[in-house]
Amino acid sequence: SQTIHQWPATLVQPVGSPLSLECTVEGTSNPNLYWYRQAAGRGLQLLFYSIGIDQISSEVPQNLSASRPQDRQFILSSKKLLLSDSGFYLCAWSVAGGTGELFFGEGSRLTVL
Amino acid sequence: AQSVTQPDIHITVSEGASLELRCNYSYGATPYLFWYVQSPGQGLQLLLKYFSGDTLVQGIKGFEAEFKRSQSSFNLRKPSVHWSDAAEYFCAVGTSGNTPLVFGKGTRLSVIA
Repeated sequence: SQTIHQWPATLVQPVGSPLSLECTVEGTSNPNLYWYRQAAGRGLQLLFYSIGIDQISSEVPQNLSASRPQDRQFILSSKKLLLSDSGFYLCAWSVAGGTGELFFGEGSRLTVL
Repeated sequence: AQSVTQPDIHITVSEGASLELRCNYSYGATPYLFWYVQSPGQGLQLLLKYFSGDTLVQGIKGFEAEFKRSQSSFNLRKPSVHWSDAAEYFCAVGTSGNTPLVFGKGTRLSVIA
Protein backbone atom coordinates (compact mmCIF):
# COMPACT_ATOMS: atom_id res chain seq x y z
CA SER A 1 0.00 0.00 0.00
CA GLN A 2 1.01 3.61 -0.47
CA THR A 3 2.27 5.76 2.36
CA ILE A 4 3.42 9.34 2.66
CA HIS A 5 5.93 10.58 5.20
CA GLN A 6 6.54 14.19 6.06
CA TRP A 7 9.12 15.63 8.46
CA PRO A 8 9.88 17.28 10.75
CA ALA A 9 6.50 17.34 12.48
CA THR A 10 7.32 20.49 14.42
CA LEU A 11 9.84 23.20 13.78
CA VAL A 12 10.63 26.48 15.53
CA GLN A 13 12.94 28.75 13.58
CA PRO A 14 14.18 32.34 13.95
CA VAL A 15 13.41 34.96 11.31
CA GLY A 16 16.02 34.91 8.57
CA SER A 17 17.00 31.27 9.04
CA PRO A 18 16.71 28.65 6.29
CA LEU A 19 13.99 26.02 6.00
CA SER A 20 13.82 22.50 4.65
CA LEU A 21 10.70 20.34 4.88
CA GLU A 22 10.83 16.90 3.33
CA CYS A 23 8.16 14.60 1.98
CA THR A 24 8.49 11.07 0.65
CA VAL A 25 5.90 8.80 -0.90
CA GLU A 26 6.25 5.02 -0.89
CA GLY A 27 4.42 2.29 -2.75
CA THR A 28 3.74 4.13 -5.97
CA SER A 29 5.68 5.58 -8.86
CA ASN A 30 5.51 8.89 -10.74
CA PRO A 31 3.02 10.48 -8.34
CA ASN A 32 1.89 14.08 -8.57
CA LEU A 33 3.21 15.88 -5.50
CA TYR A 34 1.91 18.95 -3.69
CA TRP A 35 2.76 21.39 -0.91
CA TYR A 36 -0.08 23.21 0.86
CA ARG A 37 -0.01 25.73 3.70
CA GLN A 38 -2.61 26.52 6.32
CA ALA A 39 -2.21 29.78 8.21
CA ALA A 40 -4.02 30.01 11.55
CA GLY A 41 -7.78 29.98 11.04
CA ARG A 42 -7.53 29.94 7.26
CA GLY A 43 -8.10 27.39 4.55
CA LEU A 44 -5.70 25.45 2.39
CA GLN A 45 -3.35 27.39 0.14
CA LEU A 46 -1.67 25.48 -2.67
CA LEU A 47 1.99 26.49 -2.79
CA PHE A 48 3.60 24.12 -5.31
CA TYR A 49 2.72 21.05 -7.30
CA SER A 50 4.79 18.76 -9.44
CA ILE A 51 3.75 16.32 -12.15
CA GLY A 52 7.27 15.01 -12.61
CA ILE A 53 10.93 15.58 -11.86
CA ASP A 54 11.92 19.06 -13.05
CA GLN A 55 8.24 19.96 -13.51
CA ILE A 56 7.24 22.16 -10.60
CA SER A 57 4.53 24.78 -10.71
CA SER A 58 4.42 27.65 -8.24
CA GLU A 59 1.01 28.95 -7.32
CA VAL A 60 1.93 31.85 -5.06
CA PRO A 61 4.92 34.23 -5.36
CA GLN A 62 6.86 34.17 -2.10
CA ASN A 63 10.21 33.39 -0.58
CA LEU A 64 9.60 29.64 -0.64
CA SER A 65 10.81 27.18 -3.27
CA ALA A 66 10.26 23.51 -3.99
CA SER A 67 12.41 20.81 -5.48
CA ARG A 68 11.91 17.22 -6.53
CA PRO A 69 15.30 15.51 -6.46
CA GLN A 70 13.79 12.05 -6.88
CA ASP A 71 10.53 10.71 -8.28
CA ARG A 72 8.89 10.28 -4.89
CA GLN A 73 10.60 13.02 -2.89
CA PHE A 74 9.39 16.60 -2.60
CA ILE A 75 11.22 19.28 -0.61
CA LEU A 76 10.02 22.70 0.47
CA SER A 77 12.75 25.23 1.17
CA SER A 78 13.44 28.81 2.06
CA LYS A 79 16.72 30.68 2.28
CA LYS A 80 15.41 33.25 4.77
CA LEU A 81 12.22 32.73 6.74
CA LEU A 82 9.74 35.50 7.42
CA LEU A 83 7.30 35.75 10.31
CA SER A 84 4.50 35.31 7.79
CA ASP A 85 5.86 31.87 6.86
CA SER A 86 4.53 30.45 10.11
CA GLY A 87 1.81 27.89 9.56
CA PHE A 88 0.92 24.28 9.07
CA TYR A 89 2.46 22.74 5.96
CA LEU A 90 0.94 19.72 4.29
CA CYS A 91 2.44 17.48 1.66
CA ALA A 92 0.14 15.40 -0.53
CA TRP A 93 0.25 13.09 -3.53
CA SER A 94 -2.15 11.96 -6.22
CA VAL A 95 -2.13 9.47 -9.05
CA ALA A 96 -0.76 11.01 -12.23
CA GLY A 97 -3.54 11.63 -14.74
CA GLY A 98 -6.18 10.43 -12.28
CA THR A 99 -9.11 12.11 -10.60
CA GLY A 100 -6.98 14.40 -8.49
CA GLU A 101 -7.83 12.57 -5.26
CA LEU A 102 -5.24 13.65 -2.73
CA PHE A 103 -3.53 11.63 -0.03
CA PHE A 104 -2.10 13.85 2.68
CA GLY A 105 0.82 13.59 5.04
CA GLU A 106 0.47 14.37 8.72
CA GLY A 107 1.72 17.92 8.37
CA SER A 108 4.58 20.05 9.69
CA ARG A 109 3.96 22.86 12.15
CA LEU A 110 6.37 25.75 11.51
CA THR A 111 6.69 28.62 13.95
CA VAL A 112 8.92 31.52 12.96
CA LEU A 113 9.97 33.75 15.85
CA ALA B 1 -11.89 27.41 -13.83
CA GLN B 2 -13.65 25.52 -11.12
CA SER B 3 -14.46 26.95 -7.68
CA VAL B 4 -15.94 25.71 -4.42
CA THR B 5 -18.03 27.57 -1.85
CA GLN B 6 -18.66 26.40 1.67
CA PRO B 7 -21.08 29.02 2.98
CA ASP B 8 -20.78 28.12 6.66
CA ILE B 9 -17.52 29.00 8.39
CA HIS B 10 -18.53 27.49 11.74
CA ILE B 11 -21.40 25.24 12.77
CA THR B 12 -22.29 24.04 16.26
CA VAL B 13 -24.53 21.04 16.78
CA SER B 14 -25.59 19.00 19.76
CA GLU B 15 -24.34 15.47 20.12
CA GLY B 16 -26.89 13.11 18.59
CA ALA B 17 -28.37 15.75 16.32
CA SER B 18 -28.28 15.52 12.55
CA LEU B 19 -25.74 17.42 10.50
CA GLU B 20 -25.62 18.90 7.03
CA LEU B 21 -22.60 20.78 5.71
CA ARG B 22 -23.12 22.70 2.51
CA CYS B 23 -20.90 22.73 -0.54
CA ASN B 24 -21.52 24.41 -3.87
CA TYR B 25 -19.21 24.15 -6.83
CA SER B 26 -18.77 25.84 -10.15
CA TYR B 27 -17.62 23.75 -13.09
CA GLY B 28 -18.93 23.29 -16.60
CA ALA B 29 -18.79 19.52 -16.80
CA THR B 30 -19.39 16.75 -14.29
CA PRO B 31 -16.70 17.19 -11.68
CA TYR B 32 -15.03 14.83 -9.29
CA LEU B 33 -16.17 15.81 -5.80
CA PHE B 34 -14.58 15.11 -2.45
CA TRP B 35 -15.10 15.71 1.24
CA TYR B 36 -12.11 15.69 3.57
CA VAL B 37 -11.94 15.97 7.35
CA GLN B 38 -9.11 17.44 9.40
CA SER B 39 -8.67 17.06 13.14
CA PRO B 40 -6.55 19.72 14.87
CA GLY B 41 -2.86 19.36 14.09
CA GLN B 42 -3.42 16.52 11.65
CA GLY B 43 -3.44 15.97 7.92
CA LEU B 44 -6.61 15.68 5.86
CA GLN B 45 -8.46 12.39 5.63
CA LEU B 46 -10.81 11.49 2.80
CA LEU B 47 -14.40 10.99 3.96
CA LEU B 48 -16.00 10.21 0.61
CA LYS B 49 -15.86 10.95 -3.08
CA TYR B 50 -18.12 11.14 -6.11
CA PHE B 51 -17.00 10.39 -9.63
CA SER B 52 -20.11 9.11 -11.42
CA GLY B 53 -23.12 6.82 -10.99
CA ASP B 54 -25.31 6.82 -7.90
CA THR B 55 -25.60 10.41 -6.70
CA LEU B 56 -25.81 9.38 -3.04
CA VAL B 57 -22.42 8.25 -1.85
CA GLN B 58 -21.53 6.65 1.45
CA GLY B 59 -18.30 7.38 3.25
CA ILE B 60 -16.45 6.51 6.38
CA LYS B 61 -17.58 7.31 9.92
CA GLY B 62 -21.28 7.22 8.95
CA PHE B 63 -21.13 10.20 6.58
CA GLU B 64 -22.92 10.45 3.27
CA ALA B 65 -23.17 13.10 0.55
CA GLU B 66 -25.54 13.71 -2.31
CA PHE B 67 -24.56 15.13 -5.68
CA LYS B 68 -27.25 17.40 -7.10
CA ARG B 69 -26.32 18.57 -10.56
CA SER B 70 -29.25 21.00 -10.83
CA GLN B 71 -28.10 22.80 -7.69
CA SER B 72 -24.35 22.37 -8.24
CA SER B 73 -24.17 21.03 -4.73
CA PHE B 74 -22.52 18.20 -2.87
CA ASN B 75 -23.73 18.49 0.72
CA LEU B 76 -22.36 16.29 3.47
CA ARG B 77 -24.75 14.69 5.96
CA LYS B 78 -24.72 12.57 9.06
CA PRO B 79 -27.87 11.46 10.86
CA SER B 80 -26.42 11.53 14.38
CA VAL B 81 -23.30 13.47 15.29
CA HIS B 82 -20.77 12.18 17.81
CA TRP B 83 -18.43 14.38 19.85
CA SER B 84 -15.50 12.89 17.94
CA ASP B 85 -16.85 14.44 14.72
CA ALA B 86 -15.70 17.87 15.87
CA ALA B 87 -13.19 18.89 13.21
CA GLU B 88 -12.68 21.00 10.09
CA TYR B 89 -14.41 19.78 6.93
CA PHE B 90 -13.29 20.63 3.43
CA CYS B 91 -15.14 20.16 0.17
CA ALA B 92 -13.06 19.91 -3.01
CA VAL B 93 -13.67 19.66 -6.75
CA GLY B 94 -11.40 18.10 -9.33
CA THR B 95 -11.23 17.43 -13.03
CA SER B 96 -9.46 14.75 -15.00
CA GLY B 97 -5.78 14.98 -15.70
CA ASN B 98 -3.20 16.65 -13.54
CA THR B 99 -5.05 19.79 -12.46
CA PRO B 100 -4.88 20.21 -8.66
CA LEU B 101 -8.05 19.95 -6.62
CA VAL B 102 -9.76 23.19 -5.71
CA PHE B 103 -10.76 23.36 -2.05
CA GLY B 104 -13.42 25.33 -0.27
CA LYS B 105 -12.36 27.39 2.73
CA GLY B 106 -13.66 24.80 5.14
CA THR B 107 -16.38 24.52 7.78
CA ARG B 108 -15.43 24.08 11.40
CA LEU B 109 -17.79 21.78 13.27
CA SER B 110 -18.19 22.04 17.02
CA VAL B 111 -20.18 19.44 18.94
CA ILE B 112 -21.77 20.26 22.29
CA ALA B 113 -23.20 17.92 24.88
